[in-house]
Amino acid sequence: AQTVTQSQPEMSVQEAETVTLSCTYDTSESNYYLFWYKQPPSRQMILVIRQEAYKQQNATENRFSVNFQKAAKSFSLKISDSQLGDTAMYFCAFISNSGYALNFGKGTSLLVTP
Amino acid sequence: GAGVSQSPSNKVTEKGKDVELRCDPISGHTALYWYRQRLGQGLEFLIYFQGNSAPDKSGLPSDRFSAERTGESVSTLTIQRTQQEDSAVYLCASSFEQGSTTEAFFGQGTRLTVV
Repeated sequence: AQTVTQSQPEMSVQEAETVTLSCTYDTSESNYYLFWYKQPPSRQMILVIRQEAYKQQNATENRFSVNFQKAAKSFSLKISDSQLGDTAMYFCAFISNSGYALNFGKGTSLLVTP
Repeated sequence: GAGVSQSPSNKVTEKGKDVELRCDPISGHTALYWYRQRLGQGLEFLIYFQGNSAPDKSGLPSDRFSAERTGESVSTLTIQRTQQEDSAVYLCASSFEQGSTTEAFFGQGTRLTVV
């Protein structure tokens, strides 16, 4: 079974600063995908970024980037130049290459303050 | 529609009543998923539909829970004899095809409160 662990239930960052959210996972598979989803108060889950395990290069999407450490089974999200609109729950998720259902962590609540 | 649509947005029901939640996936999406999100928790997988194949019901927590989907259209999740522990947000997602290579798009969920 695959498990996803987010060890930071809540985090806070000031506007324009950088914050890193942690995620670790456990799997015996070698081919898989990792995701970060954002869930604002509207409840809509929005895909922020994804990483293919076979790619060594860390994924980047504008102000969002990941630090993927395959050997350590770690997948952290870095948000640069934080904006008030980044305030949301952030979920790390895993899916194996042969799977179809995402496995989610419990989430990190991020608050961006002025 | 442009996105995944779920109804109702909120539902309050009395313990013991049956409820039906609806999900309208994005047109053309063959895969559909239901997840449950309890307060302060991540998303728990409930059930998966892929085209006309038999659904994967392995995540359904009890026989009070059931879901249907006709072809690649609307899905309904039914909870019979609701209990207070069923209170949660129920999220539906759809994707063009199954698996890891395609993005799953989520609806805004139905918040179910059992009183």
